[in-house]
Amino acid sequence: DQQVKQNSPSLSVQEGRISILNCDYTNSMFDYFLWYKKYPAEGPTFLISISSIKDKNEDGRFTVFLNKSAKHLSLHIVPSQPGDSAVYFCAASFDSGSARQLTFGSGTQLTVLP
Amino acid sequence: ETGVTQTPRHLVMGMTNKKSLKCEQHLGHNAMYWYKQSAKKPLELMFVYNFKEQTENNSVPSRFSPECPNSSHLFLHLHTLQPEDSALYLCASSPDSNYGYTFGSGTRLTVV
Repeated sequence: DQQVKQNSPSLSVQEGRISILNCDYTNSMFDYFLWYKKYPAEGPTFLISISSIKDKNEDGRFTVFLNKSAKHLSLHIVPSQPGDSAVYFCAASFDSGSARQLTFGSGTQLTVLP
Repeated sequence: ETGVTQTPRHLVMGMTNKKSLKCEQHLGHNAMYWYKQSAKKPLELMFVYNFKEQTENNSVPSRFSPECPNSSHLFLHLHTLQPEDSALYLCASSPDSNYGYTFGSGTRLTVV
């Protein structure tokens, strides 16, 4: 059973507009959430994160929102640029007592059209 | 340069072959991980090493055998694989008790 779900496998957005990528989770133990970006033939790279004690974190064009009651988080990219075209993975973790383990969603392919 | 280097980048092997994937990190991290990424699926955690000790084995078949000789190096030994094992294998590392991973570029494995 997937504990982290990204229900939209793909998203297309016009350059300059807002991109909104969504992620849902089921495990209430998760207390830290991250977004990774992946280009073809490369490993995922860290983009932005949020702790469960916050509901918003902003870094330049990227903002992550967390709704704990709905077990939902979203990544907003404003304005979207063609270079943002990539696969975006949502990930969640909790402290199990050993090394933190990330549980990933299946990814959303974002295409920003010029 | 991501700080986590994986070799080879591509590997084609037959079902009777034995091969190894290598991962090396230059970040001083204490935890290392193997993930499998199949098409349209989430990244699946395979193994976790913390301070060279294996702390997690997510029900991975025995045809995959990890080795962590020191905190900078991680291997994944492969033998008698199946075609459905074809995937992108990603190595990652993280500082102890930290929240973020640094990933390598992965090894694209094809089993024929």
